[in-house]
Amino acid sequence: QKEVEQDPGPLSVPEGAIVSLNCTYSNSAFQYFMWYRQYSRKGPELLMYTYSSGNKEDGRFTAQVDKSSKYISLFIRDSQPSDSATYLCANVAWKGGSEKLVFGKGTKLTVNP
Amino acid sequence: NAGVTQTPKFQVLKTGQSMTLQCAQDMNHNSMYWYRQDPGMGLRLIYYSASEGTTDKGEVPNGYNVSRLNKREFSLRLESAAPSQTSVYFCAITTSGLKGPYEQYFGPGTRLTVT
Repeated sequence: QKEVEQDPGPLSVPEGAIVSLNCTYSNSAFQYFMWYRQYSRKGPELLMYTYSSGNKEDGRFTAQVDKSSKYISLFIRDSQPSDSATYLCANVAWKGGSEKLVFGKGTKLTVNP
Repeated sequence: NAGVTQTPKFQVLKTGQSMTLQCAQDMNHNSMYWYRQDPGMGLRLIYYSASEGTTDKGEVPNGYNVSRLNKREFSLRLESAAPSQTSVYFCAITTSGLKGPYEQYFGPGTRLTVT
């Protein structure tokens, strides 16, 4: 089983919709959970991170972690066409004495005007 | 993507040719990484370097070599390119800042096609 699983989509929603993006992970040692956003033909950029369980809100974005079910979510409220991108979840793993990020495969989101 | 630069941006190779992808950072960070990104496969770690003078294999190192020339530069070499190495290659560094303790900051990518 891959350490981080993510539904690749694609996901297409109308402008203004609430979007829910989800990942599951297998390594219970993960503590840091991140969401990256990647626009077409660009490198990924960090959108949000959370530490351990709970919610974290940043404007229209909410990241949620449920460690008991090993489930992480990103909610986008009032979605905009500018939110159209691929969203990747990631966890931090320590291997060989240094930190590495383990990424999900990414979910491609299109928000239609 | 200021802070991490990659050259070239695009490259077409014939099977068996060699090339080196260059990455440089001006953010003075120790850890540098090379990823490849393929449709449906996500980002996969090829090699990483925790500090100058050290390199380690990631998830998909076969067919690649790396060199951490100094703290700024981390190059990825394909000795004998194969069509399976057609991909987008990203260099990244790990920073610790306002956005989080393990933010990876990516370069703009190199699009490589091997025919």
